[in-house]
Amino acid sequence: KQEVTQIPAALSVPEGENLVLNCSFTDSAIYNLQWFRQDPGKGLTSLLLIQSSQREQTSGRLNASLDKSSGRSTLYIAASQPGDSATYLCAVRPADTGGFKTIFGAGTRLFVKA
Amino acid sequence: DADVTQTPRNRITKTGKRIMLECSQTKGHDRMYWYRQDPGLGLRLIYYSFDVKDINKGEISDGYSVSRQAQAKFSLSLESAIPNQTALYFCATSDTGQGNYEQYFGPGTRLTVT
Repeated sequence: KQEVTQIPAALSVPEGENLVLNCSFTDSAIYNLQWFRQDPGKGLTSLLLIQSSQREQTSGRLNASLDKSSGRSTLYIAASQPGDSATYLCAVRPADTGGFKTIFGAGTRLFVKA
Repeated sequence: DADVTQTPRNRITKTGKRIMLECSQTKGHDRMYWYRQDPGLGLRLIYYSFDVKDINKGEISDGYSVSRQAQAKFSLSLESAIPNQTALYFCATSDTGQGNYEQYFGPGTRLTVT
């Protein structure tokens, strides 16, 4: 059974710091992996989606990497800002379900101090 | 206007009451999903629908039912609400034609059962 773990559960950093959020999954047979941002009172916003054949994706100050063999993904945030404060969720789609089923991690709550 | 909307945004109800949560989308996607989010557990799939005539149970469907009234509308019902159904509920959509199963989420409904 696929399980997704995100460590740490919470993280506090000063503004301007570069940081890495971690996601690990137990079964390397995935269709893709997606990183989301969740703000209080709002839904999930998709940040980056990495297909199983890809190693990384970049969008602005965000870079997500994928290492299927080790069951790991990282989300790198450069030059963090207070507006980056949110909960970040990692989600994988197991390959054996046709890709529709999504397994979510519990998230990392990030707080960027001004 | 938001692509995926949910109503109500907040609801407090009593044990034993029947309630319905509604989801509408303007993205033209064929697939729709209902998830619940509990603190520390991430999102878990309740039901999903691939089209109007295709409804499937997710991992935690007991105590819930759904209706796909049209391609754009997918409602979730709690037939007899109980306190452990207190959670944040999300609707999501995806497009088969897009090929990568990327999901788009609504803003969520916070449900409290007393």
